[in-house]
Amino acid sequence: QVQLQESGPGLVKPSETLSLTCTVSGGSISSFYWSWIRQPAGKGLEWIGRIFDSGSTNYNPSLKSRVTMSVDTSKNHFSLKLTSLTAADTAVYFCARNYLDGFDIWGQGTMVTVSS
Amino acid sequence: QSALTQPASVSGSPGQSITISCTGTSSDVGSYNLVSWYQQHPGKAPKLIILEVTKRPSGVSNRFSGSKSGSTASLTISGLQAEDEADYYCCSYVSSYTHWVFGGGTKLTVL
Repeated sequence: QVQLQESGPGLVKPSETLSLTCTVSGGSISSFYWSWIRQPAGKGLEWIGRIFDSGSTNYNPSLKSRVTMSVDTSKNHFSLKLTSLTAADTAVYFCARNYLDGFDIWGQGTMVTVSS
Repeated sequence: QSALTQPASVSGSPGQSITISCTGTSSDVGSYNLVSWYQQHPGKAPKLIILEVTKRPSGVSNRFSGSKSGSTASLTISGLQAEDEADYYCCSYVSSYTHWVFGGGTKLTVL
């Protein structure tokens, strides 16, 4: 079965750029949209953006100026870059597969703390 | 785009039914039948339990059902079980700028 695994630094300094990767195993990254979703501690979920295997993207309007997503089909993974970090970006970051209007497969999540 | 509005908490006794509402606007929930629901246990990733307002993914109990009226979607859980105690989130597609918006989440307590 398809599984997702996020990877990246757990601690990033304010004003720097966060880079996360989501590796897809047990299936191909092709023919699906893939999303990043985050959740600050004790708070709700926020959709960040999605990418198709072709590289086509859609971003949350509130984060659009700071977000870039990319995909590497040869490595079966996709990535997130979020710039100009502040403490408000501290959260658990999940990657997920888009299925119809929902997100049917999720990674376990990776905690990212923005602190000096 | 503001988050969808959900009650902060609901509770029910084992065997009872509860309903969680999710209120949006004509730009999101009211526009399309593209509302999904997620169950999240502490420390875990969310699990998709309803998509396209009423459809259950394979393997999801038929005790979970979804509906929508106007700009408000609802999740009903019947025959409450202890394992249903979790946070529940609704999510809607938003056609402008093609993005998704989540509700603030509802904590379900099984008494």
